[in-house]
Amino acid sequence: KAGVTQTPRYLIKTRGQQVTLSCSPISGHRSVSWYQQTPGQGLQFLFEYFSETQRNKGNFPGRFSGRQFSNSRSEMNVSTLELGDSALYLCASSTRGQGANEQYFGPGTRLTVT
Amino acid sequence: KQEVTQIPAALSVPEGENLVLNCSFTDSAIYNLQWFRQDPGKGLTSLLLIQSSQREQTSGRLNASLDKSSGRSTLYIAASQPGDSATYLCAVGAGANNLFFGTGTRLTVIP
Repeated sequence: KAGVTQTPRYLIKTRGQQVTLSCSPISGHRSVSWYQQTPGQGLQFLFEYFSETQRNKGNFPGRFSGRQFSNSRSEMNVSTLELGDSALYLCASSTRGQGANEQYFGPGTRLTVT
Repeated sequence: KQEVTQIPAALSVPEGENLVLNCSFTDSAIYNLQWFRQDPGKGLTSLLLIQSSQREQTSGRLNASLDKSSGRSTLYIAASQPGDSATYLCAVGAGANNLFFGTGTRLTVIP
């Protein structure tokens, strides 16, 4: 079974631009969570989607948004990029919607904002 | 808010040594605890998942324990190898697939 895939793997953007990252979960997984990893803040939860609905959101500004499609694939969008948005963005998928389940992570998208 | 701490932040051991990594959390109302490994610039690889009702899990040379009442978990690695060098992260499951991550322990195994 294929693992979680994320595209693109690397991205360089300029301040003020917007970016869209994509995540394809493991087949059969309906939940997708997004995390931001930076050297200073570590891994922080962004949001989680299940069956196309956002169920939980971390403490990030409204510039960070996401969505999930009927095939469970998910995208996250960051508008008006800032230098501090440079990070490794990880998505994770899991099976059930109730409670916390084992999560499987993708390789991440490395975003650099210049 | 759940706070997760890992000690030590970095550890260097000679090959073959057994070692223990520590993880502590502030809120004992957890669903599970998961240990991950991360290689530089890469994603996370799940090592072990312990449900809140369990006390330990084993996989090969790895053994993880969980003591919910004291807010602690340990990851024991037996007979360490250079390939074990990586950053080890523990994460507490708090519901709705939200994980609270520790700061990680960077392990170096010296041949």
